[in-house]
Amino acid sequence: AQSVTQPDIHITVSEGASLELRCNYSYGATPYLFWYVQSPGQGLQLLLKYFSGDTLVQGIKGFEAEFKRSQSSFNLRKPSVHWSDAAEYFCAVGASGGYQKVTFGTGTKLQVIP
Amino acid sequence: KAGVTQTPRYLIKTRGQQVTLSCSPISGHRSVSWYQQTPGQGLQFLFEYFSETQRNKGNFPGRFSGRQFSNSRSEMNVSTLELGDSALYLCASSNRGGGLEQYFGPGTRLTVT
Repeated sequence: AQSVTQPDIHITVSEGASLELRCNYSYGATPYLFWYVQSPGQGLQLLLKYFSGDTLVQGIKGFEAEFKRSQSSFNLRKPSVHWSDAAEYFCAVGASGGYQKVTFGTGTKLQVIP
Repeated sequence: KAGVTQTPRYLIKTRGQQVTLSCSPISGHRSVSWYQQTPGQGLQFLFEYFSETQRNKGNFPGRFSGRQFSNSRSEMNVSTLELGDSALYLCASSNRGGGLEQYFGPGTRLTVT
């Protein structure tokens, strides 16, 4: 069965600093990987996805993520964080083919300080 | 295109009652998935419907059920509500399957007293 681990429950960064959120997955084949963001009281918004091809994927809002098969990781990065990035971030893994359910990590809550 | 809509946005029910939540997916999307989100358990998958058929199911008791109509709109029903059912219920739609990128609605906040 697939699984996702987000080791950091809460992260605090200063505005303008770089950000990296960690995600490790477990899946037997090539996974479909996603990062979502959730603002308080809102649903989840897709930031980016990886299905195949280039292992560095670009998303919305200046985010990017890199798929590293050898480390079973899909870390999310942003070079310069803005106060509006404060939210909860979820990594998710789906089975290739897209016909199985997606499994979400427990989330990382990002706090941005001035 | 209009996004995923969920109604109602907020609901307060009493233990033992039943509740029905509604989700309208993005036009053209045939897959609808439901999730329960709580502070303690995070996001938990309830079920996925694709073209009116339940394709995947999570580990929830039979009190949780759903259905999908021919226009892809979906409803979720919870019978005999328990205090632990208090949660944010999220619906997500996808154009091919729940294992691909999903588009989430704002959720229905259910409080059971």
